[in-house]
Amino acid sequence: DIVMTQSPDSLTVSLGERATINCKSSQSVLYSSNNNNYLAWYQQKPGQPPKLLIYWASTRESGVPDRFSGSGSGTDFTLTISSLQAEDVALYYCQQYYSTPYTFGQGTKLEIK
Amino acid sequence: QVQLQESGPGLVKPSETLSLTCTVSGGSISSYYWSWIRQPPGKGLEWIGYIYYTGSTKYNPSLKSRVTISVDTSKNQFSLKLTSVTAADTAVYYCARGVETSTIPGYWGQGTLVTVSS
Repeated sequence: DIVMTQSPDSLTVSLGERATINCKSSQSVLYSSNNNNYLAWYQQKPGQPPKLLIYWASTRESGVPDRFSGSGSGTDFTLTISSLQAEDVALYYCQQYYSTPYTFGQGTKLEIK
Repeated sequence: QVQLQESGPGLVKPSETLSLTCTVSGGSISSYYWSWIRQPPGKGLEWIGYIYYTGSTKYNPSLKSRVTISVDTSKNQFSLKLTSVTAADTAVYYCARGVETSTIPGYWGQGTLVTVSS
């Protein structure tokens, strides 16, 4: 199984500041034949299902604010929130869908300073 | 806008079978991948498996001997069966639809809590 490791486990950022969450996979999730990274990011608020933010490592899902961006390739990925808003307080998960079983990171809790 | 709704018993006894159904509305079950994912209380997410509308499946090997996912296109539903449950199977169970033609879980139901207890 591919192990997904996120850092940090928790993050406190001031409103309007940048938030950065990292995700590392135990093996590459880059599929060489199509040059796509099989990596997604989700946001989960208390009592709600996860919401897909980013897939193919950097493609923003429809309706997701452009302050959310994804980057990285191979084994190292980053989710960046350019200017933190109060509604961004949540848990964030990365997930690989390169090979089954699909696996998630342990989650990063984002809070306001 | 597609909507997914999980349904089934909220309490299952140890050693029995957990059975859940996901009803899809606002769109056809055809031409998509459909997944089950679970989340134990206060913990992270675990992928259970997916089914294509044609019936082909992939399961998590950690559950493979106990899990079956099936689809009923006539009812626009797909289902999860997990046998021989234990307390470790207590979780919120989510169903989800793939994004476009991919297996990426993009549209999720609200989830249903299933507790395994005698």
